[in-house]
Amino acid sequence: AQSVTQLDSQVPVFEEAPVELRCNYSSSVSVYLFWYVQYPNQGLQLLLKYLSGSTLVKGINGFEAEFNKSQTSFHLRKPSVHISDTAEYLCAVSGGSTLGRLYFGRGTQLTVWP
Amino acid sequence: EADIYQTPRYLVIGTGKKITLECSQTMGHDKMYWYQQDPGMELHLIHYSYGVNSTEKGDLSSESTVSRIRTEHFPLTLESARPSHTSQYLCASSKRRVGGRAGELFFGEGSRLTVL
Repeated sequence: AQSVTQLDSQVPVFEEAPVELRCNYSSSVSVYLFWYVQYPNQGLQLLLKYLSGSTLVKGINGFEAEFNKSQTSFHLRKPSVHISDTAEYLCAVSGGSTLGRLYFGRGTQLTVWP
Repeated sequence: EADIYQTPRYLVIGTGKKITLECSQTMGHDKMYWYQQDPGMELHLIHYSYGVNSTEKGDLSSESTVSRIRTEHFPLTLESARPSHTSQYLCASSKRRVGGRAGELFFGEGSRLTVL
């Protein structure tokens, strides 16, 4: 089975600062990669996804992520965060021996301070 | 915009009660899933379905059961709730993809269950 590691459980930043949320996954021949955002008391909303093609993926709300096959990473970045970005961010992966299944990391709580 | 709905959003019940969490989607997706979410833990897949009359258990053992009689409906039932069932339950759906890899999942807003 796939495994996903989100290295930081909590990331506090000030408004307008850049942020990077880290995600590593267990190696596989080929994978699909996703970042979801979860606001309090809500379900998950897709931020962005990598299926194939360019390794730099742009998503909603100004977020982007880069797929790095050699480092098995898919880190999420935003150059300037807003208070409204405060939420839980979850990385997920499917592929390899886990066809049709999506595996999630434990999530990173991003808190943006004024 | 995803069209997947879960009811109830919040439920507080006593031990031993039977409960059903409802999940419906209007996107015609073949695949549907139930995940369990606890604070600080990964989302764990507890049930999934690839179509009508198809149900499978996921990675996390669960005493709940599911059914898929209609494409759009995927309810989860607990025959006798216990405090250990207290959790957030998330329903999701997705299209079937060529090659079988999981594509984008669309999530409902979740059902938070508290068993006293």
